[in-house]
Amino acid sequence: TQLLEQSPQFLSIQEGENLTVYCNSSSVFSSLQWYRQEPGEGPVLLVTVVTGGEVKKLKRLTFQFGDARKDSSLHITAAQPGDTGLYLCASGSNYKLTFGKGTLLTVNP
Amino acid sequence: GAVVSQHPSRVICKSGTSVKIECRSLDFQATTMFWYRQFPKQSLMLMATSNEGSKATYEQGVEKDKFLINHASLTLSTLTVTSAHPEDSSFYICSARVLAGETGELFFGEGSRLTVL
Repeated sequence: TQLLEQSPQFLSIQEGENLTVYCNSSSVFSSLQWYRQEPGEGPVLLVTVVTGGEVKKLKRLTFQFGDARKDSSLHITAAQPGDTGLYLCASGSNYKLTFGKGTLLTVNP
Repeated sequence: GAVVSQHPSRVICKSGTSVKIECRSLDFQATTMFWYRQFPKQSLMLMATSNEGSKATYEQGVEKDKFLINHASLTLSTLTVTSAHPEDSSFYICSARVLAGETGELFFGEGSRLTVL
């Protein structure tokens, strides 16, 4: 089972600030997914990255996949309180996902 | 996107009783569903893969006699926590895979919070 390490574990920032969270593995990802989970709810898929060096944008969120496909980052520009949540990266085969421990983001108004 | 619904969303039970949690795919058919458990401030841990019409596949360390999984139709999988104990208190989440030939995406339910007293 592939081990996914996420950092930082916790992040508390003020509204309007930028932030980056990371997901790393010692082995190559076949593909990588980023999810956001709000308290008491299931995770919601944000993006899937497949190709090394790939960059995807989702409004204020920018996702990068490392050239070697061993790492990925999520950058949020001008964070808003609505961005608060647990950000999880996940990878796997045959839809059997292994999740990282997540980054718990709190955006204070 | 496709919708996966879990019921109940919250359940409180006494130690020693059994609790059934349902996972339904509302607008698509799913041959495969997955059950996860999430403890507070921790990530999702895969418990088992539920296959329609056949036995579930359990992850290492998950007791199949304690966590009974039934996938009787293409839209419903159930997880029964038998003889529940306080340490079974957790957030249980299912996900469903759209049938091959479609988007191939996984969709997650809203989760079911189990509290065992």
